[in-house]
Amino acid sequence: SQQGEEDPQALSIQEGENATMNCSYKTSINNLQWYRQNSGRGLVHLILIRSNEREKHSGRLRVTLDTSKKSSSLLITASRAADTASYFCATVIGNQFYFGTGTSLTVIP
Amino acid sequence: GAGVSQSPSNKVTEKGKDVELRCDPISGHTALYWYRQRLGQGLEFLIYFQGNSAPDKSGLPSDRFSAERTGESVSTLTIQRTQQEDSAVYLCASSPDRGANIQYFGAGTRLSVL
Repeated sequence: SQQGEEDPQALSIQEGENATMNCSYKTSINNLQWYRQNSGRGLVHLILIRSNEREKHSGRLRVTLDTSKKSSSLLITASRAADTASYFCATVIGNQFYFGTGTSLTVIP
Repeated sequence: GAGVSQSPSNKVTEKGKDVELRCDPISGHTALYWYRQRLGQGLEFLIYFQGNSAPDKSGLPSDRFSAERTGESVSTLTIQRTQQEDSAVYLCASSPDRGANIQYFGAGTRLSVL
């Protein structure tokens, strides 16, 4: 299966700390995206990184992509309690999106 | 404009009954996806519509599952003879263009089969 796998499955940090989560996948991709899901809600797109890009920033988010290792990381800096959510990576091949199993992040105030 | 709208938000049904879930995509979005999300798990692809092309049904788990979409409008996902293992949140997403693009998700329909 192409489905990505996030690591760790769960992460608990103190407010103000940085949170890093990783995503690994198996085959070549067009792009990789990160989404966030608050409990009981749909997913919200955070950031997209194309296969020819290595790093991208958006506000407190930093995403890296290593196509040789077929892995990506999402860094959230200076975390806030409101960042508590599940985070999913999605690898995109053509029109198909393959979502990972998610990392559950808890930021303790 | 409005985001992706799904109805009902919650559905409780008895085993063996049929259910119909509805998704209203963002106006003008040509692509529409259905996913299933079991409790605490990731998203499982079900079906993909792109404009008037034949849908990609490769993710439908059994012939009890079907979906329709007329043009670039509303889509319905139908589950016949529901089973307890069908209990999950069913998420719909739409996307504006052909090819890889970001997805806009609805809040989902939480289906409980008793």
